[in-house]
Amino acid sequence: EVQLVESGGGLVQPGGSLRLSCSASGFTVSRYNMNWVRQAPGKELEWISHISDSGGDILYADSVKGRFTISRDTARNSLYLQMHSLRDEDTAVYFCARDSYSGSAYYAFDFWGQGALVTVSS
Amino acid sequence: EIVLTQSPATLSLSPGERATLSCRASQSVGTSLAWYQQKPGQAPRLLMYDASNRATGIPARFSGSGSGTDLTLTISSLEPEDFAVYYCLQRSSWPRTFGQGTKVEIK
Repeated sequence: EVQLVESGGGLVQPGGSLRLSCSASGFTVSRYNMNWVRQAPGKELEWISHISDSGGDILYADSVKGRFTISRDTARNSLYLQMHSLRDEDTAVYFCARDSYSGSAYYAFDFWGQGALVTVSS
Repeated sequence: EIVLTQSPATLSLSPGERATLSCRASQSVGTSLAWYQQKPGQAPRLLMYDASNRATGIPARFSGSGSGTDLTLTISSLEPEDFAVYYCLQRSSWPRTFGQGTKVEIK
């Protein structure tokens, strides 16, 4: 069974740092494109980062570029999001989400974790 | 960046009624569009991929149509468990963008 479990959320002061983890089971992270998506309280979803299955393509939304870093650990079968210089507007639930494809079909965000709440406040 | 505009913002319907949700793109996305359902406190769930294909386990009452800039999600006959927020997502170009959501609520 495919499962994604985020951890590492919490309360952090503006300007602080936090690292989110996403532990995967039922599949191998390094064989899939993976993403981070966030949702501010009462707001819509926002894609923020992507790492390709090869690891050769890493992309960020402008809102986090230069402050957030996506990475993965093959041995731990996990995805990470290192966040620096956090701002009030980064307060959100952060989801990790998998892409998969089969032939010409592409399943964007076909599996999601349950989310980790990050609150940036003084 | 492609902007997706969903309408209406809220749809008030009764169980058994038909729901038609619109997703309009600021430029063509072809059929590179997905639909998700989200219930309070839960992660989104993939409903449709590539505009008109149901994801695994999604009931046949859900259907997607359209291409280019005007795409639609239809729920043919609402079941109690279908009342939720629905989002469209384009994967035609980076950054991937979501619509602002349509809430389907019980009338």
